[in-house]
Amino acid sequence: NAGVTQTPKFQVLKTGQSMTLQCAQDMNHEYMSWYRQDPGMGLRLIHYSVGAGITDQGEVPNGYNVSRSTTEDFPLRLLSAAPSQTSVYFCASSFDRGREKLFFGSGTQLSVL
Amino acid sequence: GEDVEQSLFLSVREGDSSVINCTYTDSSSTYLYWYKQEPGAGLQLLTYIFSNMDMKQDQRLTVLLNKKDKHLSLRIADTQTGDSAIYFCAERLNTGGFKTIFGAGTRLFVKA
Repeated sequence: NAGVTQTPKFQVLKTGQSMTLQCAQDMNHEYMSWYRQDPGMGLRLIHYSVGAGITDQGEVPNGYNVSRSTTEDFPLRLLSAAPSQTSVYFCASSFDRGREKLFFGSGTQLSVL
Repeated sequence: GEDVEQSLFLSVREGDSSVINCTYTDSSSTYLYWYKQEPGAGLQLLTYIFSNMDMKQDQRLTVLLNKKDKHLSLRIADTQTGDSAIYFCAERLNTGGFKTIFGAGTRLFVKA
């Protein structure tokens, strides 16, 4: 099993550009989520999904959109990138939302100039 | 509100014990976790404790939970240079979509 796969690993954007961070898991996990990691702030939840067709906002959703059309995929879209979105982004999934540990992807390092 | 706090740095000598502390605020948490992040990698679950337990031991790792004080600690016995990493405390809430809330992470330095 590949686990949680994130692409790309690195990305540089100009302010105002849009892009989509991809996340896919092959473990049939219902729960998927996106976090951003900033120095001294730990991981902050952006959006999450408890199943296909269902998404909800986390702590810091502004500037990001998500969709969950399949169980496997949970892309994160930046519609108009801003320097404040420079961060490392992690996708994580778990079998169910209540108890199971999170499996993390290896991260996407995004710089917005 | 939901908040998880932990100190940012810890430095120990190889062979000593490391103790990383964490406090949390939400009493509805069901599971409390310790994740480890090595450079350039994602987080990996190190160990966890259910909220109705006081202690859990797993080889060199001991987790202590004081639910009254909302205090969680991770003790690593016989710390090795390979234990150098960032350790994140996290709580899985029992409400609001069962979100997992992370602390800022404690960077453990192990001196040879």
